[in-house]
Amino acid sequence: SQQGEEDPQALSIQEGENATMNCSYKTSINNLQWYRQNSGRGLVHLILIRSNEREKHSGRLRVTLDTSKKSSSLLITASRAADTASYFCATVLSGGYNKLIFGAGTRLAVHP
Amino acid sequence: GAGVSQSPSNKVTEKGKDVELRCDPISGHTALYWYRQRLGQGLEFLIYFQGNSAPDKSGLPSDRFSAERTGESVSTLTIQRTQQEDSAVYLCASSFRSGRAGGTGELFFGEGSRLTVL
Repeated sequence: SQQGEEDPQALSIQEGENATMNCSYKTSINNLQWYRQNSGRGLVHLILIRSNEREKHSGRLRVTLDTSKKSSSLLITASRAADTASYFCATVLSGGYNKLIFGAGTRLAVHP
Repeated sequence: GAGVSQSPSNKVTEKGKDVELRCDPISGHTALYWYRQRLGQGLEFLIYFQGNSAPDKSGLPSDRFSAERTGESVSTLTIQRTQQEDSAVYLCASSFRSGRAGGTGELFFGEGSRLTVL
């Protein structure tokens, strides 16, 4: 079973609106990462948040992490049509495990 | 090269044939991962190489799947006797930092190899 699961599965918004995607996971993590994928090919790393961090910003991206609820959210502010893509959260389990486990992703469509 | 390179980008094969997919990681990256992504789905972990340590093969779906890595360079993923359910995009990623203290850092992905089994 997958460690991380995103919600919603699909999101459709207008340009200028904010987009929020959520990720829940099952076991203790070392860090959590968000990736973006265009057109079903290679993924691009967006942001990494460690288990001892609660919030991180990068440009129009804001990520929060709540380890007590085992959840994270990715907020994209002032969305653009170019933000249309699939977004995945990925977790690194604590305890010396190094493999990155991905969720099923959220498909975001931003309409002009 | 500047990024992770995968070949072939597309492969169409007949059921029962063997296929070999290649990944050239970023120079100096000690960790290398293979994932499988079926259409419209998330990434399924297959195998992970870290330096000279024994690879983590826990995600390989059957003994028809195998992977090798030469030192800290090229890796090949081999699928024997392909089946239609093997059709997917196979993604390779590499990482510079992968250690117990900090956990896995940012992964750099290739563009993937799209495999179609007829």
